[in-house]
Amino acid sequence: DAKTTQPPSMDCAEGRAANLPCNHSTISGNEYVYWYRQIHSQGPQYIIHGLKNNETNEMASLIITEDRKSSTLILPHATLRDTAVYYCIVRVVGGSSNTGKLIFGQGTTLQVKP
Amino acid sequence: ETGVTQTPRHLVMGMTNKKSLKCEQHLGHNAMYWYKQSAKKPLELMFVYNFKEQTENNSVPSRFSPECPNSSHLFLHLHTLQPEDSALYLCASSLSLFRLVDYNEQFFGPGTRLTVL
Repeated sequence: DAKTTQPPSMDCAEGRAANLPCNHSTISGNEYVYWYRQIHSQGPQYIIHGLKNNETNEMASLIITEDRKSSTLILPHATLRDTAVYYCIVRVVGGSSNTGKLIFGQGTTLQVKP
Repeated sequence: ETGVTQTPRHLVMGMTNKKSLKCEQHLGHNAMYWYKQSAKKPLELMFVYNFKEQTENNSVPSRFSPECPNSSHLFLHLHTLQPEDSALYLCASSLSLFRLVDYNEQFFGPGTRLTVL
């Protein structure tokens, strides 16, 4: 699976949009971009995933660049409860090469401040 | 609530003890996973099971012994652990492996905080 690069930490004011970047310059054509987050002392929580089109769900939006070498997770109105470590992961999905493996990096620690 | 439960939530054990961690999922999934999260380190995949068969052992020492009696339950048997094995142990489940669809998110349990004295 491709390696990702994320800033180690970011701050965001409560109520403002949080934009978390991720670089995945070696991503392959059959690899998806996944985002998970881990609130302190809890298990990771799935947020969103995408292949090449922008995606939106009730939690966040995912913007993937046209060349797919980077992406941004957007939390439109951050709250204090969004303070967590956010992980960007790229992985193959489907077919015989899908081992289910999620390779977690260090992620970005997002601190939402009042 | 993610539909994945883990017991106990906290465990303190000596190096000569034998204990087991339990994971149960109520999501109808067929793939289950054990991860280890040590302090200041990323999550590390330990084992993967698909339809009760182990498909991956990520070079885990034999003092950790997994068991998957059915698709809903996963155990991690612990014996003669070392203090450096102290960590948060996370269980996860997903629909199954090798699916020809683009949707296979993993649902994680809350974890068991293990301390080895």
